[in-house]
Amino acid sequence: DQQVKQNSPSLSVQEGRISILNCDYTNSMFDYFLWYKKYPAEGPTFLISISSIKDKNEDGRFTVFLNKSAKHLSLHIVPSQPGDSAVYFCAASAKTGTASKLTFGTGTRLQVTL
Amino acid sequence: ETGVTQTPRHLVMGMTNKKSLKCEQHLGHNAMYWYKQSAKKPLELMFVYSLEERVENNSVPSRFSPECPNSSHLFLHLHTLQPEDSALYLCASSQVPGGTYEQYFGPGTRLTVT
Repeated sequence: DQQVKQNSPSLSVQEGRISILNCDYTNSMFDYFLWYKKYPAEGPTFLISISSIKDKNEDGRFTVFLNKSAKHLSLHIVPSQPGDSAVYFCAASAKTGTASKLTFGTGTRLQVTL
Repeated sequence: ETGVTQTPRHLVMGMTNKKSLKCEQHLGHNAMYWYKQSAKKPLELMFVYSLEERVENNSVPSRFSPECPNSSHLFLHLHTLQPEDSALYLCASSQVPGGTYEQYFGPGTRLTVT
């Protein structure tokens, strides 16, 4: 049973427009959420995160929104650039006493067109 | 450059071979992870080492054997693998306790079992 779901396997957006990537989760124990970006032949790169005590976190062109009641988060990229074309993974973590344990979604492939 | 390196980048092995994957982190972290990424599946956590002690093993078959000799190095020993073990194997590291849960990934080893 997938606890973190990214229901859109792909998304195409024109350069300069907003990209919105969505993620849903089922485990109410998750208290920290992260977005990773992955280019082909590279490992995932950390992009932005949000704690469950917040509903928004912004870093430059990237903003993550968290709706705890709906168990939904989204990543907004404004404006989208061709270099943003990659696979984006949503991940969630619950408090543990030791190492952080991340649960990942299946990813959304973003294509930013000229 | 994420500070996490993995060797080899590509590996083809027969089902009767024994091989090892190596991961090294230069970030001063104290926790390391092995993940498996199969096509169209989320990243699956295989092993977690925190402070060089294995703290989690997500019911991975015994043909995968991890080793963490120190906080900077992590190995995954492979023997008598099956074709379905062909996947991208990713190593990650983090600092614990962290509070932010970010993990930093290496580029991965693309494994093909023939």
